[in-house]
Amino acid sequence: NAGVTQTPKFQVLKTGQSMTLQCAQDMNHNSMYWYRQDPGMGLRLIYYSASEGTTDKGEVPNGYNVSRLNKREFSLRLESAAPSQTSVYFCASSERDRAGEKLFFGSGTQLSVL
Amino acid sequence: QKEVEQNSGPLSVPEGAIASLNCTYSDRGSQSFFWYRQYSGKSPELIMSIYSNGDKEDGRFTAQLNKASQYVSLLIRDSQPSDSATYLCAVKRGNDYKLSFGAGTTVTVRA
Repeated sequence: NAGVTQTPKFQVLKTGQSMTLQCAQDMNHNSMYWYRQDPGMGLRLIYYSASEGTTDKGEVPNGYNVSRLNKREFSLRLESAAPSQTSVYFCASSERDRAGEKLFFGSGTQLSVL
Repeated sequence: QKEVEQNSGPLSVPEGAIASLNCTYSDRGSQSFFWYRQYSGKSPELIMSIYSNGDKEDGRFTAQLNKASQYVSLLIRDSQPSDSATYLCAVKRGNDYKLSFGAGTTVTVRA
């Protein structure tokens, strides 16, 4: 049972380059998310997808695009990378239990933009 | 003002002691509260959720919620070296999808 799988684990880009972070979950969750984590800032939501076919902006969407390819997969694209996008990126999916919502996170992608 | 505030620590406690972590939030409409644990270099994992005022216990962990004071805390009893991690407080309004995280408190349990 893989859970949430993210690729790549590490990436170095030059300013202006583009790349796509891939995420897939095998838990049949409807909702998927992309977060970034920076020192002293906590986790900040970039985009989320409440269900297949829908995507919405989070707190820090500028410079990113997303695609919910199907129920399993949710990708994050940086069209023109900037040094400010150096961060650790986490994909997550969620189940809604009786009382709330539990996030399951992927292992993260450490991205450096030079 | 940040939506969710935590003392960054580090909080150093001796093995076997109680570690007490605090979190305050600014949105009075928040209804769901979570504590995630994150080991260095790893992804966060949920350890506690709480939705009603009062205490909720799960093993060595106790979450406490006071909505009037906009305050949620986590107690770790009989702290073990394996509890050394960063603990993230997270808060959510109603049926919103957006979960707001604090910056985390780093806990070190010294043997």
